[in-house]
Amino acid sequence: SAVISQKPSRDICQRGTSLTIQCQVDSQVTMMFWYRQQPGQSLTLIATANQGSEATYESGFVIDKFPISRPNLTFSTLTVSNMSPEDSSIYLCSVENDRNTEAFFGQGTRLTVV
Amino acid sequence: DAKTTQPNSMESNEEEPVHLPCNHSTISGTDYIHWYRQLPSQGPEYVIHGLTSNVNNRMASLAIAEDRKSSTLILHRATLRDAAVYYCILTSGSRLTFGEGTQLTVNP
Repeated sequence: SAVISQKPSRDICQRGTSLTIQCQVDSQVTMMFWYRQQPGQSLTLIATANQGSEATYESGFVIDKFPISRPNLTFSTLTVSNMSPEDSSIYLCSVENDRNTEAFFGQGTRLTVV
Repeated sequence: DAKTTQPNSMESNEEEPVHLPCNHSTISGTDYIHWYRQLPSQGPEYVIHGLTSNVNNRMASLAIAEDRKSSTLILHRATLRDAAVYYCILTSGSRLTFGEGTQLTVNP
């Protein structure tokens, strides 16, 4: 199993500002995943972050808006840039076990943009 | 990723079994069937997965149709703590594509 810690757990931010969310895993993993869950909706994959290479973004998500860092095999950050109220969501970090048979999720970061 | 279809919501009584259905008629031969659940205010958690044969673990059982076009997650005795959104997901790689899931309500 993997234990994932996300910081901050929640934040209220002014529109136009940026927030960086941190994700720390208790073991080394190849890929880390960032998801967004808008209010009352399901999870949507934003991007996949590999150590040593640029993140791979899903359709509808761009690096300028959601820059991702992956400096080592246990840590990643997601920045939500130039925020607007539409960015108010829960952002979740996820990793998988070695055999890709089970995914583990952080508790999420609840972001409110005012 | 192949699409799954689940009922929006289901209700159960505490201590009774719950059968959560999932249709996946376009499943490919390499797709695994995964189930995750999301309790209120938490990230999703893994429940069970399978390929062709029925699977059991300490949380639940997974019954897979012979043609693999549908599956059923079985909670043998529902508790109040099982109230959650249950997601049925097909994947042949490392990406999980979440559908809308089934909101399970457990009545005391």
